Amino acid sequence: GAVVSQHPSRVICKSGTSVKIECRSLDFQATTMFWYRQFPKQSLMLMATSNEGSKATYEQGVEKDKFLINHASLTLSTLTVTSAHPEDSSFYICSAEIGGDYEQYFGPGTRLTVT
Amino acid sequence: SQQGEEDPQALSIQEGENATMNCSYKTSINNLQWYRQNSGRGLVHLILIRSNEREKHSGRLRVTLDTSKKSSSLLITASRAADTASYFCATDKDGANNLFFGTGTRLTVIP
Repeated sequence: GAVVSQHPSRVICKSGTSVKIECRSLDFQATTMFWYRQFPKQSLMLMATSNEGSKATYEQGVEKDKFLINHASLTLSTLTVTSAHPEDSSFYICSAEIGGDYEQYFGPGTRLTVT
Repeated sequence: SQQGEEDPQALSIQEGENATMNCSYKTSINNLQWYRQNSGRGLVHLILIRSNEREKHSGRLRVTLDTSKKSSSLLITASRAADTASYFCATDKDGANNLFFGTGTRLTVIP
């Protein structure tokens, strides 16, 4: 089956620094990748949708200058949390979609802790 | 914004019993999907039901969809301890395949 990886799985950073999270589709080309965040005991919230080679589409309330998304190739999307603050601490999950397929394949998630 | 809500928020049952989780959503959809998430792990896709379908089965899973009531249910029969997880429904609100997740149901199956 399709596999999506995320790196790192856990990261701890200091307030004010930037953190980059990678999302890779390992055995397929993903036309679209999605980024979600999940606060403890809460549901997933879609942050943005990224298509290879174009700018990401952000959901209402998500700051595009704070959460930089780059989808440089059909197998890699990155999310950079800039000037991280403790309230950015969360579980970030990416998913990837094969073109025309309704199913999304989810990465294992990245636990970000900002101290 | 969140598209769906699920109830109950938490469900605890004995192994062997059936577990039913419900999901309601707000707008028209093309399909509805159910996902499972083990603690601290990524999501696993369970089943997809299209808007023109009313019921779908997959192993011990049974999903129903009532588009007139904008609701869906997930039934897990003969539950096992390994079914302990959070279950989310997700809809593509506007047909663009952006998934919007419900609040999830935390299922605990007691051995």
